[in-house]
Amino acid sequence: SQQGEEDPQALSIQEGENATMNCSYKTSINNLQWYRQNSGRGLVHLILIRSNEREKHSGRLRVTLDTSKKSSSLLITASRAADTASYFCATDAISNFGNEKLTFGTGTRLTIIP
Amino acid sequence: SAVISQKPSRDICQRGTSLTIQCQVDSQVTMMFWYRQQPGQSLTLIATANQGSEATYESGFVIDKFPISRPNLTFSTLTVSNMSPEDSSIYLCSGGGLAGKETQYFGPGTRLLVL
Repeated sequence: SQQGEEDPQALSIQEGENATMNCSYKTSINNLQWYRQNSGRGLVHLILIRSNEREKHSGRLRVTLDTSKKSSSLLITASRAADTASYFCATDAISNFGNEKLTFGTGTRLTIIP
Repeated sequence: SAVISQKPSRDICQRGTSLTIQCQVDSQVTMMFWYRQQPGQSLTLIATANQGSEATYESGFVIDKFPISRPNLTFSTLTVSNMSPEDSSIYLCSGGGLAGKETQYFGPGTRLLVL
């Protein structure tokens, strides 16, 4: 089953506005990562936040993590048309054979309107 | 960082046939994974490709249907066997360090349509 669920499923905003996406997960984690996927392409890693961190920045991206609520948010400031993509959170988990794996959330489809 | 390429980028196949997808990384990576993504959906892990040994499969995926090879630290293949229309999907490989701790780099995906 999916570890993470994201909301909203889809988000449309005007260029220049801020976009916020949320991710909730079910079990304890060591790390949470955010990825972007442009239509028809592979995923691109955006940021990794560790369980002992509450906030992390990278350029126009700000990620928060609240382990007590088992939730994370991704904020994109001053959005651009090129930010149009699907965004996925991913949490670490242990596979059936004991090795680490990533479990992806359901994703948010972000559309930036020029 | 690592750059990952996949071949083919897309294919249309007949029911009952098999397709082998290749994944090439431009540098040695510790871990390689294969995912399936239905259009508009999230990624589902198929298996971990282990170098020099049998892949480890997630629940719902079996070796007879999805045989995987990983002969070295930069290359892996996934075969989709005896295909049916339900196998139509995007197949992605990824590579990198330990999955939960480090960045995973993804290939562009292989779009498969089974008629």
